[in-house]
Amino acid sequence: ELKVEQNPLFLSMQEGKNYTIYCNYSTTSDRLYWYRQDPGKSLESLFVLLSNGAVKQEGRLMASLDTKARLSTLHITAAVHDLSATYFCAVDMRGNTGKLIFGQGTTLQVKP
Amino acid sequence: NAGVTQTPKFRVLKTGQSMTLLCAQDMNHEYMYWYRQDPGMGLRLIHYSVGEGTTAKGEVPDGYNVSRLKKQNFLLGLESAAPSQTSVYFCASSRDLSYEQYFGPGTRLTVT
Repeated sequence: ELKVEQNPLFLSMQEGKNYTIYCNYSTTSDRLYWYRQDPGKSLESLFVLLSNGAVKQEGRLMASLDTKARLSTLHITAAVHDLSATYFCAVDMRGNTGKLIFGQGTTLQVKP
Repeated sequence: NAGVTQTPKFRVLKTGQSMTLLCAQDMNHEYMYWYRQDPGMGLRLIHYSVGEGTTAKGEVPDGYNVSRLKKQNFLLGLESAAPSQTSVYFCASSRDLSYEQYFGPGTRLTVT
């Protein structure tokens, strides 16, 4: 059974600081997705990582995938308040099936 | 281009009542999905469809049925609602298995 675990589950950080969210998964998969959810809102796609070593960056966020370690990271550089949200990683259940297993989510709070 | 829309946005049911949630997408996507999100948890896949006329079970299908009679619509039915089905329901669609899923705004369902 595929399990996806994120840590930390809650992160409070100061503006301007850097931090990394980790996403570990339990079985082989080479497709991983990162989503953002604002309180009471829907999910917004951030990154799609489709191969080992994939790295993608958008603004202050950078995501990477290591399929051998079954690990993805979401790195936040010089955090700003607007990045406050819950971040989910999701892994394709058996590789290219579209059946995603989501992590529990990491709630990020950026304080001025 | 409305993207993915869901009807209704909110609903309160009594135990044993039935209802249908409607999801519509105008992006001509082949793949559609129904998820539920419970507090402190990530999303869990209920059912999904890989094309018009097809449906398949996800992680937590019990107590739900689905139909995909038209490519743009994906219906989720609860035949006999139970309090355990109180949740926020999200519909999503994707162009291909390798692409990100686009999520609707969600339906908040309470079963009393």
